Amino acid sequence: QKEVEQDPGPLSVPEGAIVSLNCTYSNSAFQYFMWYRQYSRKGPELLMYTYSSGNKEDGRFTAQVDKSSKYISLFIRDSQPSDSATYLCAMSALHDMRFGAGTRLTVKP
Amino acid sequence: DGGITQSPKYLFRKEGQNVTLSCEQNLNHDAMYWYRQDPGQGLRLIYYSQIVNDFQKGDIAEGYSVSREKKESFPLTVTSAQKNPTAFYLCASNFRTSGGELFFGEGSRLTVL
Repeated sequence: QKEVEQDPGPLSVPEGAIVSLNCTYSNSAFQYFMWYRQYSRKGPELLMYTYSSGNKEDGRFTAQVDKSSKYISLFIRDSQPSDSATYLCAMSALHDMRFGAGTRLTVKP
Repeated sequence: DGGITQSPKYLFRKEGQNVTLSCEQNLNHDAMYWYRQDPGQGLRLIYYSQIVNDFQKGDIAEGYSVSREKKESFPLTVTSAQKNPTAFYLCASNFRTSGGELFFGEGSRLTVL
């Protein structure tokens, strides 16, 4: 079993849809949870950063962490074609960071 | 503007040749990292360095070497011992006391012919 599981997709939605991206993990020591967005042939850029359990909202993006279920989510409201990218979940216990394989998202106009 | 610069962006090499990928940062970060990204797989850690003149192996260090002679620079050499070197290589950095937030460069695509 991988330490971090993420459905690779691809996921295709119409513009304006609500997108839900998810990851599960097995290491209960993870305390920091992140979502990165990666455009094709580019480096990942940090989208959301959460410490421990709870929700965090930033504009159209909401990150949720449920440590009891070892499950994290990213919701994108009113999705735009510019949101088309690969989304990577990541989690760490200080310097031990693990990444999901990434979910490729396409938002169609 | 502060950031991480990787070069070259694209690199082609013949099998058996060593290649060195450059990574420079001006964010004053203590720690620097090299990751490898392959299709369908998460980023895998090759090497990391938390301070100058010190570095640690990651999960897939075999066939790679690094140096950290300056705080700003962390070059990666892909040696001929690396069995499958064709990949997208990402350099990242952060503050040593950071909880994990990484800043990435734009990546270097290495193709071995």
